[in-house]
Amino acid sequence: GEDVEQSLFLSVREGDSSVINCTYTDSSSTYLYWYKQEPGAGLQLLTYIFSNMDMKQDQRLTVLLNKKDKHLSLRIADTQTGDSAIYFCATGGGFQKLVFGTGTRLLVSP
Amino acid sequence: EAGVAQSPRYKIIEKRQSVAFWCNPISGHATLYWYQQILGQGPKLLIQFQNNGVVDDSQLPKDRFSAERLKGVDSTLKIQPAKLEDSAVYLCASSLPGGPSTDTQYFGPGTRLTVL
Repeated sequence: GEDVEQSLFLSVREGDSSVINCTYTDSSSTYLYWYKQEPGAGLQLLTYIFSNMDMKQDQRLTVLLNKKDKHLSLRIADTQTGDSAIYFCATGGGFQKLVFGTGTRLLVSP
Repeated sequence: EAGVAQSPRYKIIEKRQSVAFWCNPISGHATLYWYQQILGQGPKLLIQFQNNGVVDDSQLPKDRFSAERLKGVDSTLKIQPAKLEDSAVYLCASSLPGGPSTDTQYFGPGTRLTVL
């Protein structure tokens, strides 16, 4: 089955850029997603990218997709303490079920 | 617009007991999902409903888990009997059917289950 991997932890200083990485195995995924989960809360969709795109920018968020290497990244510019959370990448969408990665805990220090 | 509602938020039971979770999706959302999120892992889909029909229950442990969605609105997920490894957060999500812009899954806050 589909396997989605992420690094477990990332620590940055406020104002720096954060880059969260994800690798996946199923090249047939139609869409790739980034979700954010704050403590005690459900998942919130941040952004998604269609599989035939290389890049998508949405305000402070930039998503890069390298289909050859099956690598997805999320860059958060000017990271704030409010960005501290767990970030999940997920593949699938449309008529395919979502498969989530293990999550990356982002800690932003002042 | 009200979000996805779940209850209870927390539940502690002993192994071999039964437990039920309730979910009320966003009004008008035809698709409803139940996920299991074990500590330190990403959510795993247990079951997906389209209106009141099951679309995918391939990862639902059917010997102990059951789910229903009567009248295509609210849904309940039941575990009977519970095992220690069922300790997790159970997330409910709903979406409009279609491509990603309309297929965005909106998640509830989850029910944290602890089995002792």
